[in-house]
Amino acid sequence: GQQVMQIPQYQHVQEGEDFTTYCNSSTTLSNIQWYKQRPGGHPVFLIQLVKSGEVKKQKRLTFQFGEAKKNSSLHITATQTTDVGTYFCAGPLGAGGTSYGKLTFGQGTILTVHP
Amino acid sequence: EPEVTQTPSHQVTQMGQEVILRCVPISNHLYFYWYRQILGQKVEFLVSFYNNEISEKSEIFDDQFSVERPDGSNFTLKIRSTKLEDSAMYFCASSYRLRGRPVAFQETQYFGPGTRLLVL
Repeated sequence: GQQVMQIPQYQHVQEGEDFTTYCNSSTTLSNIQWYKQRPGGHPVFLIQLVKSGEVKKQKRLTFQFGEAKKNSSLHITATQTTDVGTYFCAGPLGAGGTSYGKLTFGQGTILTVHP
Repeated sequence: EPEVTQTPSHQVTQMGQEVILRCVPISNHLYFYWYRQILGQKVEFLVSFYNNEISEKSEIFDDQFSVERPDGSNFTLKIRSTKLEDSAMYFCASSYRLRGRPVAFQETQYFGPGTRLLVL
């Protein structure tokens, strides 16, 4: 079935190192979204990418959407302990990818940052 | 800032019992969702709801599940006869709709803090 794959599953970094997580969809996406979930918390929306090849930045976070709109990445420069959590990509797979429909989440990448 | 609220935060129940999880979506939102997350796993879609009816549901959302908007503010998920495998965190989410958005753009879904359900 249609799915969103995310790697790596875990990433341990020293504070100050960079971090990247990658997301791949089995089908073309109308958009890709990224969420962060702190330990014990709920998913919090970070950003949405819509255009092919789009790149967006939020301070130390850089988000990319692939040219074919089937993959995406999140890169964090110089990680801090506040970056700890699970990062999920999500997309509107299935049923034509309606604007108000379900999100299909990737498995998430658990980031731990050692001070 | 407005937020989605959920009650209870934790629920422990015996297998076979009925549970009702409650959510208060953000007040001007029109689309409501339930997701679940089994411990250590990804977030999974259960159901979406708009205009007082289900607009989409997943394979997980079988006849044991139902949703309701009993009044203008609450949105509930009922599990009729709980099973051990229903143990999970259940998240409610809501989104609104702005006119003139590009079709490819999806309105942000705002998640509540979740209800942790434990079925014994």
